[in-house]
Amino acid sequence: AQKVTQAQTEISVVEKEDVTLDCVYETRDTTYYLFWYKQPPSGELVFLIRRNSFDEQNEISGRYSWNFQKSTSSFNFTITASQVVDSAVYFCALSETLNYNQGGKLIFGQGTELSVKP
Amino acid sequence: IAGITQAPTSQILAAGRRMTLRCTQDMRHNAMYWYRQDLGLGLRLIHYSNTAGTTGKGEVPDGYSVSRANTDDFPLTLASAVPSQTSVYFCASSDSVAGVDTQYFGPGTRLTVL
Repeated sequence: AQKVTQAQTEISVVEKEDVTLDCVYETRDTTYYLFWYKQPPSGELVFLIRRNSFDEQNEISGRYSWNFQKSTSSFNFTITASQVVDSAVYFCALSETLNYNQGGKLIFGQGTELSVKP
Repeated sequence: IAGITQAPTSQILAAGRRMTLRCTQDMRHNAMYWYRQDLGLGLRLIHYSNTAGTTGKGEVPDGYSVSRANTDDFPLTLASAVPSQTSVYFCASSDSVAGVDTQYFGPGTRLTVL
């Protein structure tokens, strides 16, 4: 069965600290996609990144970076020099390439609540 | 403004009542989804639709029904609400099916069933 585990329920850091959010997934499929979403206090879900299972290159976008390691089934997310505006719940999600009749399904982790204090 | 709209924003409902949550997208996406978010459980898929005229069951479909009469709208109906359906409901859409495209989410509907 597919599963996503975000072992860190809550993380609290002081502004300007670096913080890494862990994500471990389980799947039997060889082709799959991984996502990170941000849910700020306002409640909406904001897409951050999508990565397919064949692309293990790390990605950097400003202060955000992602480390995908297929060997350990992990897709960790690092925020460098954190800011108060980074305070949110972050979700890691897994999607498999299913056939047309089954549809695409995102399997979410439980989420990590990040609190960045000034 | 392109995106997904959901209505109502929030609702308090008596148990046993019927309720329809509305979802509309203007991105001409083929696939649409309904998720519920519960504390400690992340988001779980209720129903999905690959294209207008088709629907399918997700992980937690019991007590919910959907229809997809056209590309833009994907309403979720609770025929007889129960307190365990208290949750935040998110509608999402993606350009294609089979999980290859990013799903974009609406702002959510907070539903309380008393």
